[in-house]
Amino acid sequence: DIQMTQFPSTLSASVGDRVTITCRASQSVSSWLAWYQQKPGKAPKLLIYKASSLESGVPSRFSGSGSGTEFTLTISSLQPEDFATYYCQQYDSYSRTFGQGTTVEI
Amino acid sequence: QVQLQESGPGLVKPSETLSLTCTVSGASISSYYWSWIRQPPGKGLEWIGYIYYSGATNYNPSLKSRVTISIDTSKNQFSLKLSSVTAADTAVYYCARTTMVGITDYWGLGTLVTVSS
Repeated sequence: DIQMTQFPSTLSASVGDRVTITCRASQSVSSWLAWYQQKPGKAPKLLIYKASSLESGVPSRFSGSGSGTEFTLTISSLQPEDFATYYCQQYDSYSRTFGQGTTVEI
Repeated sequence: QVQLQESGPGLVKPSETLSLTCTVSGASISSYYWSWIRQPPGKGLEWIGYIYYSGATNYNPSLKSRVTISIDTSKNQFSLKLSSVTAADTAVYYCARTTMVGITDYWGLGTLVTVSS
């Protein structure tokens, strides 16, 4: 299985901050990587696919970059509704795997 | 608008089989892949597997011996069976749509299944 490692596990930030979350794959996944946002008690929401493509309806303050084994999710100016847990997921291999999550807290 | 809704027992006894169904509306199940993902309380997401409308399946290797995903195109539903459950299988179970290129874009609300005697 391809292992996905996210860091940091928890991130403390303030409204207006620029925030970056990193996801590292144990082997290359090309650009087959997605980012999800999950709020407590809710299903995950797709933000980014193919490493850097913004899902329709997602605010442009979210952006993704990277390829191969190293990826980043950036929120350019953190808004109150962005405090949540973020997961990366690779879909390069037949066995899909998620990162362990990064919680963005106040 | 694509909607997915999980249904099934919220409580399952240890060693028994967990069974859930996902009903899809707003999209034909005869396209796309259809996935199951779970999340133990307070923990991260775990991919369980997916099925194509043709019946082709792909499972998480760590669960493969206990998992069966099936599909009923006439009802626009797909189902999950997980056998020989233990307390470690207690989780919120999500059904979801996965595109032909592997993007999981629509999710159900999730249903909590507790394994306990």
